Amino acid sequence: DTAVSQTPKYLVTQMGNDKSIKCEQNLGHDTMYWYKQDSKKFLKIMFSYNNKELIINETVPNRFSPKSPDKAHLNLHINSLELGDSAVYFCASSSGMNTEAFFGQGTRLTVV
Amino acid sequence: GENVEQHPSTLSVQEGDSAVIKCTYSDSASNYFPWYKQELGKRPQLIIDIRSNVGEKKDQRIAVTLNKTAKHFSLHITETQPEDSAVYFCAAGNQAGTALIFGKGTTLSVSS
Repeated sequence: DTAVSQTPKYLVTQMGNDKSIKCEQNLGHDTMYWYKQDSKKFLKIMFSYNNKELIINETVPNRFSPKSPDKAHLNLHINSLELGDSAVYFCASSSGMNTEAFFGQGTRLTVV
Repeated sequence: GENVEQHPSTLSVQEGDSAVIKCTYSDSASNYFPWYKQELGKRPQLIIDIRSNVGEKKDQRIAVTLNKTAKHFSLHITETQPEDSAVYFCAAGNQAGTALIFGKGTTLSVSS
């Protein structure tokens, strides 16, 4: 039974398109995150949500917007995709800020 | 904000040797230090973590040490095996509302 699941696993799209990545966790965690892993493997925090409230918004372009319909879901919407958005996006969840983060399997986004 | 530096970026060892990865952090409020292992094409997974009230923690072949005064912590893997080959990330977290901040990763290669 997958703890943190995200879809799709692969996403290939053209520049300028709008796309969404979905994430769901069944761990009962209060906090969810989106991380971006670039080609150099660097894991960079993008957003954190705690009980549906955004508590961190790193300096990412406002083309990226997290949306949380409920505590178990945190979706990522990206508008006007650019080549530089190509990366692997990981959703994660935890029971608190300084506790273990459980990662989803990642979504490899390729913008052509 | 927190900044985590990790060294080395790559590490090659012979099977059976020990491997050591070192990290430093900048925020003295950080009190949670996990280590994640990411195999090729997979999600990061926690292998060991340590909190600031403990100086050392061991789990079979892996151990982590923490020096709060110097703000650095290290991962030690003994008797390395080829299946230890992966990218290892250190991270730092605190209760102040920030997500885990990751180091840039160390690619460990264990040759038999």
